[in-house]
Amino acid sequence: QLVLTQSPSASASLGASVKLTCTLSSGHSSYAIAWHQQRPEKGPRYLMKISSDGSHIKGDGIPDRFSGSSSGAERYLTISSLQSEDEADYYCQTWDTGIRVFGGGTKLTVL
Amino acid sequence: EVQLVESGGGLIQPGGSLRLSCAASGFTVSSNYMSWVRQAPGKGLEWVSLIYTSGSTSYADSVKGRFTISRDNSKNTLYLQINSLRADDTAVYYCARDRGSNAWSDYWGQGTLVTVSS
Repeated sequence: QLVLTQSPSASASLGASVKLTCTLSSGHSSYAIAWHQQRPEKGPRYLMKISSDGSHIKGDGIPDRFSGSSSGAERYLTISSLQSEDEADYYCQTWDTGIRVFGGGTKLTVL
Repeated sequence: EVQLVESGGGLIQPGGSLRLSCAASGFTVSSNYMSWVRQAPGKGLEWVSLIYTSGSTSYADSVKGRFTISRDNSKNTLYLQINSLRADDTAVYYCARDRGSNAWSDYWGQGTLVTVSS
């Protein structure tokens, strides 16, 4: 079964960096994923798609502070120079024939 | 500029029906794969349904048989017909444009709230 696992919460200080992790279920380590940001009371916003080789496709207007990488079954989103507006929920998404799957989300707190 | 605007949500009694709309601009709905995704209060995102460019459809097991996704090409609008509503269908419903048949969502709407309660 295709499942994505995310830590429920993360925190980092203003101006620092944070690395969020999304883990693919066993047997699915070759799958690409996409990261989405959801600020409070807003709809999700596509950030980037990350392939198993670490290559990525960013959404329109996504700052260079946001970057992605891969290692095995893990897909990462790194946010550098954290700003207050980065405080949000972050969801990873993957897909297979006829389905889409979301991780449970990580709530990022900027201290 | 790509825009998606959902409407049609509201307060509905259990067992009732509702049709959600998603008006698109900046691209052609029929030439793209489109999804509906919902979010229960305080919970994460849950994929609901997908419509292919061919018109074929796919549904999450939790809504199969009760939800129907469709589109009106002349209005460039996506729809979600929801029948036999249950309390656990209470959620904000988002439409999203997908990059392909096996791909991710790259544009999202702002959502419309459906509340199922007597």
